[in-house]
Amino acid sequence: DIQMTQSPSSLSASVGDRVTITCQASQDIRKSLNWYQQKPGEAPRLLIYDASTLDTGVPSRFSGGGSGTDFSVIITSLQPEDFATYYCQQYHNVPITFGPGTRLEIK
Amino acid sequence: VQLLESGGGSEQPGGSLRLSCAASGFTFGSYSMSWVRQSPGKGLEWVSTISHRYDLSYADSVKGRFIISRDDSKNTLYLQMSSLRPEDTAVYFCARLWFGDLSPFDYWGQGTLVTVSP
Repeated sequence: DIQMTQSPSSLSASVGDRVTITCQASQDIRKSLNWYQQKPGEAPRLLIYDASTLDTGVPSRFSGGGSGTDFSVIITSLQPEDFATYYCQQYHNVPITFGPGTRLEIK
Repeated sequence: VQLLESGGGSEQPGGSLRLSCAASGFTFGSYSMSWVRQSPGKGLEWVSTISHRYDLSYADSVKGRFIISRDDSKNTLYLQMSSLRPEDTAVYFCARLWFGDLSPFDYWGQGTLVTVSP
Protein backbone atom coordinates (compact mmCIF):
# COMPACT_ATOMS: atom_id res chain seq x y z
CA ASP A 1 0.00 0.00 0.00
CA ILE A 2 1.11 3.56 -0.66
CA GLN A 3 1.54 5.50 2.58
CA MET A 4 0.81 9.21 2.58
CA THR A 5 2.29 11.62 5.11
CA GLN A 6 1.52 15.29 5.61
CA SER A 7 3.23 18.11 7.41
CA PRO A 8 2.58 19.93 9.50
CA SER A 9 -0.19 18.07 11.32
CA SER A 10 -1.54 21.40 12.49
CA LEU A 11 -0.83 25.00 11.68
CA SER A 12 -1.89 28.31 13.20
CA ALA A 13 -2.03 31.29 10.88
CA SER A 14 -3.68 34.65 10.50
CA VAL A 15 -6.00 36.05 7.87
CA GLY A 16 -3.84 37.32 5.03
CA ASP A 17 -0.97 34.91 5.67
CA ARG A 18 0.55 32.57 3.10
CA VAL A 19 0.72 28.91 4.15
CA THR A 20 2.21 25.78 2.66
CA ILE A 21 1.14 22.22 3.41
CA THR A 22 3.23 19.34 2.16
CA CYS A 23 2.38 15.73 1.35
CA GLN A 24 4.73 12.86 0.68
CA ALA A 25 3.97 9.50 -0.89
CA SER A 26 5.91 6.35 0.00
CA GLN A 27 6.47 5.61 -3.69
CA ASP A 28 6.26 7.37 -7.03
CA ILE A 29 2.64 8.27 -7.80
CA ARG A 30 3.44 10.57 -10.74
CA LYS A 31 0.78 13.29 -10.49
CA SER A 32 -2.06 11.12 -9.15
CA LEU A 33 -2.62 13.33 -6.14
CA ASN A 34 -5.67 15.23 -4.95
CA TRP A 35 -6.24 17.74 -2.17
CA TYR A 36 -9.49 18.01 -0.21
CA GLN A 37 -10.73 20.59 2.27
CA GLN A 38 -13.00 19.54 5.11
CA LYS A 39 -14.80 21.74 7.60
CA PRO A 40 -16.30 20.38 10.84
CA GLY A 41 -19.53 18.48 10.28
CA GLU A 42 -19.18 18.62 6.51
CA ALA A 43 -18.11 16.26 3.75
CA PRO A 44 -14.71 16.77 2.15
CA ARG A 45 -14.56 19.08 -0.86
CA LEU A 46 -12.25 18.47 -3.80
CA LEU A 47 -9.87 21.41 -4.19
CA ILE A 48 -7.06 20.26 -6.45
CA TYR A 49 -6.70 17.21 -8.68
CA ASP A 50 -3.82 15.80 -10.69
CA ALA A 51 -1.52 17.56 -8.22
CA SER A 52 -1.98 21.05 -9.62
CA THR A 53 -5.37 21.58 -11.30
CA LEU A 54 -7.93 23.58 -9.35
CA ASP A 55 -11.43 22.14 -9.30
CA THR A 56 -14.21 24.37 -10.61
CA GLY A 57 -14.97 27.26 -8.31
CA VAL A 58 -11.85 26.95 -6.18
CA PRO A 59 -10.31 30.40 -5.59
CA SER A 60 -7.05 31.18 -7.31
CA ARG A 61 -5.33 31.81 -3.96
CA PHE A 62 -5.00 28.01 -3.81
CA SER A 63 -2.27 26.36 -5.83
CA GLY A 64 -0.86 22.86 -5.94
CA GLY A 65 2.38 21.41 -7.17
CA GLY A 66 4.70 18.47 -7.19
CA SER A 67 5.06 15.08 -8.80
CA GLY A 68 6.54 11.73 -7.97
CA THR A 69 6.62 11.56 -4.18
CA ASP A 70 6.56 15.19 -3.02
CA PHE A 71 3.59 17.52 -3.27
CA SER A 72 2.38 20.75 -1.76
CA VAL A 73 -0.59 23.05 -1.59
CA ILE A 74 -0.08 26.76 -1.06
CA ILE A 75 -2.74 29.16 0.09
CA THR A 76 -1.87 32.80 -0.42
CA SER A 77 -3.68 35.51 1.52
CA LEU A 78 -5.67 33.26 3.87
CA GLN A 79 -9.36 34.04 4.16
CA PRO A 80 -11.60 33.19 7.14
CA GLU A 81 -13.33 30.45 5.17
CA ASP A 82 -10.01 28.67 4.54
CA PHE A 83 -9.61 27.53 8.14
CA ALA A 84 -10.30 23.82 7.88
CA THR A 85 -8.55 20.46 7.66
CA TYR A 86 -6.75 19.57 4.44
CA TYR A 87 -6.15 16.03 3.20
CA CYS A 88 -4.03 14.75 0.36
CA GLN A 89 -5.06 11.53 -1.39
CA GLN A 90 -3.34 9.32 -3.93
CA TYR A 91 -5.18 7.52 -6.70
CA HIS A 92 -2.21 5.93 -8.39
CA ASN A 93 -3.34 2.49 -7.32
CA VAL A 94 -5.62 0.55 -5.01
CA PRO A 95 -6.00 0.87 -2.11
CA ILE A 96 -6.70 4.56 -2.44
CA THR A 97 -5.03 6.21 0.54
CA PHE A 98 -5.31 9.56 2.28
CA GLY A 99 -2.84 11.55 4.27
CA PRO A 100 -3.58 12.05 7.98
CA GLY A 101 -4.67 15.64 7.46
CA THR A 102 -3.41 19.11 8.31
CA ARG A 103 -5.58 21.21 10.59
CA LEU A 104 -5.34 24.90 9.72
CA GLU A 105 -6.41 27.06 12.65
CA ILE A 106 -6.80 30.77 13.19
CA LYS A 107 -4.00 32.32 15.23
CA VAL B 1 -25.48 16.25 -8.29
CA GLN B 2 -26.77 14.96 -4.97
CA LEU B 3 -25.76 11.96 -2.90
CA LEU B 4 -27.87 11.10 0.12
CA GLU B 5 -26.78 8.36 2.50
CA SER B 6 -29.07 6.51 4.89
CA GLY B 7 -29.12 3.38 7.00
CA GLY B 8 -26.64 4.30 9.68
CA GLY B 9 -27.30 3.69 13.35
CA SER B 10 -26.14 1.77 16.40
CA GLU B 11 -25.30 -1.92 16.27
CA GLN B 12 -23.62 -4.42 18.54
CA PRO B 13 -20.34 -6.08 17.64
CA GLY B 14 -20.97 -8.96 15.28
CA GLY B 15 -24.11 -7.37 13.92
CA SER B 16 -25.03 -6.16 10.46
CA LEU B 17 -26.16 -2.94 8.82
CA ARG B 18 -26.98 -1.93 5.27
CA LEU B 19 -26.14 1.56 4.10
CA SER B 20 -27.76 3.16 1.06
CA CYS B 21 -26.76 6.14 -1.04
CA ALA B 22 -29.42 7.65 -3.30
CA ALA B 23 -27.94 9.52 -6.24
CA SER B 24 -29.51 12.18 -8.41
CA GLY B 25 -28.55 14.85 -10.91
CA PHE B 26 -26.28 12.69 -13.06
CA THR B 27 -26.26 9.45 -15.05
CA PHE B 28 -25.55 7.16 -12.11
CA GLY B 29 -24.83 4.06 -14.17
CA SER B 30 -21.95 5.78 -15.97
CA TYR B 31 -19.88 6.40 -12.87
CA SER B 32 -17.81 4.37 -10.46
CA MET B 33 -18.81 4.93 -6.84
CA SER B 34 -17.09 4.49 -3.51
CA TRP B 35 -17.61 4.42 0.23
CA VAL B 36 -15.16 6.38 2.38
CA ARG B 37 -15.33 6.46 6.17
CA GLN B 38 -14.12 8.73 8.92
CA SER B 39 -13.82 7.59 12.51
CA PRO B 40 -14.75 10.24 15.10
CA GLY B 41 -12.07 12.90 15.19
CA LYS B 42 -9.90 10.95 12.73
CA GLY B 43 -8.91 11.04 9.10
CA LEU B 44 -10.44 9.62 5.95
CA GLU B 45 -10.25 5.94 5.00
CA TRP B 46 -11.28 4.50 1.65
CA VAL B 47 -13.54 1.47 2.16
CA SER B 48 -14.69 0.14 -1.20
CA THR B 49 -15.31 0.96 -4.86
CA ILE B 50 -17.70 -0.45 -7.44
CA SER B 51 -17.06 0.51 -11.03
CA HIS B 52 -19.68 1.25 -13.65
CA ARG B 53 -18.77 -2.21 -15.00
CA TYR B 54 -19.42 -3.71 -11.54
CA ASP B 55 -15.76 -4.38 -10.76
CA LEU B 56 -15.29 -4.45 -6.99
CA SER B 57 -12.43 -3.48 -4.69
CA TYR B 58 -12.15 -3.35 -0.90
CA ALA B 59 -9.83 -2.13 1.82
CA ASP B 60 -8.16 -5.01 3.65
CA SER B 61 -9.82 -3.85 6.87
CA VAL B 62 -13.30 -4.72 5.53
CA LYS B 63 -12.60 -7.44 2.98
CA GLY B 64 -14.75 -10.51 3.63
CA ARG B 65 -17.13 -8.56 5.91
CA PHE B 66 -18.51 -5.75 3.73
CA ILE B 67 -20.15 -6.02 0.30
CA ILE B 68 -20.59 -3.08 -2.03
CA SER B 69 -23.32 -3.18 -4.66
CA ARG B 70 -25.38 -0.90 -6.84
CA ASP B 71 -28.78 -0.82 -8.47
CA ASP B 72 -28.54 1.40 -11.52
CA SER B 73 -32.31 1.18 -12.08
CA LYS B 74 -32.80 2.83 -8.68
CA ASN B 75 -29.75 5.12 -8.85
CA THR B 76 -28.65 3.70 -5.52
CA LEU B 77 -25.36 2.51 -4.04
CA TYR B 78 -25.27 0.08 -1.12
CA LEU B 79 -22.87 -1.17 1.51
CA GLN B 80 -23.81 -4.36 3.32
CA MET B 81 -21.82 -4.44 6.53
CA SER B 82 -21.51 -7.69 8.50
CA SER B 83 -19.47 -8.95 11.45
CA LEU B 84 -19.25 -5.38 12.64
CA ARG B 85 -16.43 -4.38 14.97
CA PRO B 86 -16.05 -1.38 17.29
CA GLU B 87 -13.34 -0.06 14.94
CA ASP B 88 -15.97 0.19 12.18
CA THR B 89 -17.54 3.08 14.09
CA ALA B 90 -17.38 6.03 11.70
CA VAL B 91 -19.26 8.40 9.48
CA TYR B 92 -19.66 6.67 6.13
CA PHE B 93 -19.64 8.86 3.03
CA CYS B 94 -20.56 7.78 -0.45
CA ALA B 95 -18.58 9.54 -3.13
CA ARG B 96 -18.57 9.69 -6.91
CA LEU B 97 -15.39 8.92 -8.80
CA TRP B 98 -14.95 11.53 -11.47
CA PHE B 99 -13.43 9.63 -14.39
CA GLY B 100 -12.95 5.99 -13.49
CA ASP B 101 -12.01 3.69 -10.65
CA LEU B 102 -8.81 5.59 -9.95
CA SER B 103 -9.72 9.25 -10.09
CA PRO B 104 -10.69 12.11 -7.78
CA PHE B 105 -13.81 11.96 -5.62
CA ASP B 106 -15.64 14.94 -7.10
CA TYR B 107 -18.94 14.70 -5.20
CA TRP B 108 -19.64 13.47 -1.68
CA GLY B 109 -22.75 12.80 0.35
CA GLN B 110 -23.23 14.30 3.79
CA GLY B 111 -22.46 11.00 5.51
CA THR B 112 -24.28 8.59 7.81
CA LEU B 113 -23.00 7.63 11.26
CA VAL B 114 -22.45 3.99 12.18
CA THR B 115 -21.76 3.23 15.84
CA VAL B 116 -20.67 -0.25 16.90
CA SER B 117 -20.67 -0.86 20.64
CA PRO B 118 -21.90 -3.47 23.12
